[in-house]
Amino acid sequence: DVKVTQSSRYLVKRTGEKVFLECVQDMDHENMFWYRQDPGLGLRLIYFSYDVKMKEKGDIPEGYSVSREKKERFSLILESASTNQTSMYLCASSSRVDDQPQHFGDGTRLSIL
Amino acid sequence: GQQVMQIPQYQHVQEGEDFTTYCNSSTTLSNIQWYKQRPGGHPVFLIQLVKSGEVKKQKRLTFQFGEAKKNSSLHITATQTTDVGTYFCAAGGSNYKLTFGKGTLLTVNP
Repeated sequence: DVKVTQSSRYLVKRTGEKVFLECVQDMDHENMFWYRQDPGLGLRLIYFSYDVKMKEKGDIPEGYSVSREKKERFSLILESASTNQTSMYLCASSSRVDDQPQHFGDGTRLSIL
Repeated sequence: GQQVMQIPQYQHVQEGEDFTTYCNSSTTLSNIQWYKQRPGGHPVFLIQLVKSGEVKKQKRLTFQFGEAKKNSSLHITATQTTDVGTYFCAAGGSNYKLTFGKGTLLTVNP
């Protein structure tokens, strides 16, 4: 079974802090994704990566950056956290074969105070 | 960018009643996937539809892809309390991305 592991289930940070969310997958998947999930808004794509050191902006990249130095690890960075970034963050991975399903981690519920 | 509209946003049913959620796009879709997210959980892949007019079944769940490949539906027959959760459709696009609908939250009264 695919395992996507997010480093924290719950996280509380302060406004202005630099926040790192880590995601690791064990299935050698080429593609990795970061979403945020808010009530009534569904899943919105922040950034994705289809190869090591490659990244592309999703629908809502502002205020975020990402890093993919190794194939199995995809990090989401909040450069200067703000209260409107309080949300559930979900990481996912998928195979490069077209239209393969995405496998999600358990999510990180991030609160910015 | 690609947009997918999903309705209804919420649906409450009595156990044993049927349930349907609909997904619509203004553009032709290459494929559509369906996911289920249990309360407190993460989205889990259910199925993928690729062909025009395709119908697939998983026990009490029936998935359809429209003839024009612009809409899809998920129908649950005789709901059970284990069906509770949010059901998302997701349209496949370029660069392995998915565009998710906003989901339908299903609650079931036992």
